[in-house]
Amino acid sequence: LAKTTQPISMDSYEGQEVNITCSHNNIATNDYITWYQQFPSQGPRFIIQGYKTKVTNEVASLFIPADRKSSTLSLPRVSLSDTAVYYCLVGQSSGGSYIPTFGRGTSLIVHP
Amino acid sequence: DGGITQSPKYLFRKEGQNVTLSCEQNLNHDAMYWYRQDPGQGLRLIYYSQIVNDFQKGDIAEGYSVSREKKESFPLTVTSAQKNPTAFYLCASSTGINMRNTEAFFGQGTRLTVV
Repeated sequence: LAKTTQPISMDSYEGQEVNITCSHNNIATNDYITWYQQFPSQGPRFIIQGYKTKVTNEVASLFIPADRKSSTLSLPRVSLSDTAVYYCLVGQSSGGSYIPTFGRGTSLIVHP
Repeated sequence: DGGITQSPKYLFRKEGQNVTLSCEQNLNHDAMYWYRQDPGQGLRLIYYSQIVNDFQKGDIAEGYSVSREKKESFPLTVTSAQKNPTAFYLCASSTGINMRNTEAFFGQGTRLTVV
């Protein structure tokens, strides 16, 4: 089963770019990499998903190197409202089914 | 608006009682999931369902039960056999459990407290 490793916590300041790296050495050939954001007492929310190279949307970018053993979530010019826990997910198969499996995530704190 | 709704938002239970948490979705999703989250921890999978009338145990199913009689609904019962039920419970749905590029949509959660 693929497993992800990410830093437990990070600190940043308003206006800075934040990069959160996730390691997934055993990622399967057909696995996608998905990132979620969770605020306290709320359900996680999808941020971005990719398979290889670079993906960008209105809130973040996702960089995936050629070997796909890691990925980096980039949040440009963070604000206080970006303080949250960020989860990196790759495929977790059980009996042929893909199950979204969450680790502890990275707690990002943005300071004024 | 389409979405996934959990109720109630807060729930208090006396020890020894069973309680049922509601989860409803109008996204026409086949797959639904229940997760448990403890303070400072990630989400742990309790049960999941790929299709109506079928469900599978997750990593921490003991003390919980589910049903999937309708596509839209996936209620979770926390039984008296669950020794430490106080937690934040999250329900999610996705288009297909076998789709590796699928996105999961979450409800707002139910915070269960045993008193």
